[in-house]
Amino acid sequence: NAGVMQNPRHLVRRRGQEARLRCSPMKGHSHVYWYRQLPEEGLKFMVYLQKENIIDESGMPKERFSAEFPKEGPSILRIQQVVRGDSAAYFCASSPPSGRAGETQYFGPGTRLLVL
Amino acid sequence: QQQVKQSPQSLIVQKGGISIINCAYENTAFDYFPWYQQFPGKGPALLIAIRPDVSEKKEGRFTISFNKSAKQFSLHIMDSQPGDSATYFCAAWGGATNKLIFGTGTLLAVQP
Repeated sequence: NAGVMQNPRHLVRRRGQEARLRCSPMKGHSHVYWYRQLPEEGLKFMVYLQKENIIDESGMPKERFSAEFPKEGPSILRIQQVVRGDSAAYFCASSPPSGRAGETQYFGPGTRLLVL
Repeated sequence: QQQVKQSPQSLIVQKGGISIINCAYENTAFDYFPWYQQFPGKGPALLIAIRPDVSEKKEGRFTISFNKSAKQFSLHIMDSQPGDSATYFCAAWGGATNKLIFGTGTLLAVQP
């Protein structure tokens, strides 16, 4: 029973390049959340998705960032034209479908993005 | 109103001692309060959680104390061990929000 999987675990990009982060939720989970964690800081909510729908993107920067969770395949967090300030750990979490979906979230190991 | 305030920022405890981390919230619609443990280079892992209908929940050496009237809750780690050294995050969920609101984290170091 595999947990939440994220890849790559480490990603190095030069300024201006695109970063693409992938997240496969736990089996049976249909809710995906993305968080950003800066060094020595807490977890900041970015976006909440269900299959083929963005439910809440209130924490995601308006420009350069986008997320999707297609019917088939992993959820993708895409950062276009990366800047040094995007360097952080990005965590994906998933939760099972239920009336209180989201209260219990299981986190992946994260993708550490370094922008040179 | 959506914030969860966590203290202290860091904590050093001797092996065998009690570690106490505190959190406070404003939004009375929150009705689920989990604690997460994060080791360096890893993702956060759910440790223990409580709902406001009880004042205390204990799982092994970990206890959550909940004070609904004060809108505060705390994590107590009894008989702290060096293996407990990690960052601990409190969080809150409920009401109109569909996301976990996290505290800023407490870096715990248990000295042998």
